[in-house]
Amino acid sequence: AQSVAQPEDQVNVAEGNPLTVKCTYSVSGNPYLFWYVQYPNRGLQFLLKYITGDNLVKGSYGFEAEFNKSQTSFHLKKPSALVSDSALYFCALGGGATNKLIFGTGTLLAVQP
Amino acid sequence: EADIYQTPRYLVIGTGKKITLECSQTMGHDKMYWYQQDPGMELHLIHYSYGVNSTEKGDLSSESTVSRIRTEHFPLTLESARPSHTSQYLCASSELGVGPEGETQYFGPGTRLLVL
Repeated sequence: AQSVAQPEDQVNVAEGNPLTVKCTYSVSGNPYLFWYVQYPNRGLQFLLKYITGDNLVKGSYGFEAEFNKSQTSFHLKKPSALVSDSALYFCALGGGATNKLIFGTGTLLAVQP
Repeated sequence: EADIYQTPRYLVIGTGKKITLECSQTMGHDKMYWYQQDPGMELHLIHYSYGVNSTEKGDLSSESTVSRIRTEHFPLTLESARPSHTSQYLCASSELGVGPEGETQYFGPGTRLLVL
């Protein structure tokens, strides 16, 4: 069965420091992995995705994610956090037979000034 | 910004009322989805559609119903609202039949529903 996990409910980081939001997955075939961000009272915004190819995927707003097949992880990263990055981040897994996305439980990122 | 719209953005309504949450997209996407987002912020898929006249139930059982008469329109209806329906409802769409690219979903801004 497919699953995706975000082990941290909340991540706190100081502005200017690097940030990492963790995501691990379980799938029998090739994974299609996505990151979305949700600001307060808004819908989800697509950030980036991994389908195949280069393990480092670059996305919107300076975010990137590293696909690691051996560790079944797809962590979201940014070299220097901004206060405006504070939001709820969702990892999602696709590629299953039903072509539906499976979302993680979300990680709240709080960037302190 | 994705071209997917939801109305109303906020709705406060009494128990027993019938409500319809509207969702429209102008991207020509075949697949559309409804998610319920609970206070813990977890997303639950409640309905989806592969195209006109196609509707499927999602992973979370819901008392709501949906219809897909036009490609761009995917309304969700609650025949008799109850306090347990209080939640945020998110609509999304994606392309169909283009491999993994078709699994990128684009979301509307959501409708926050409060049933008293």
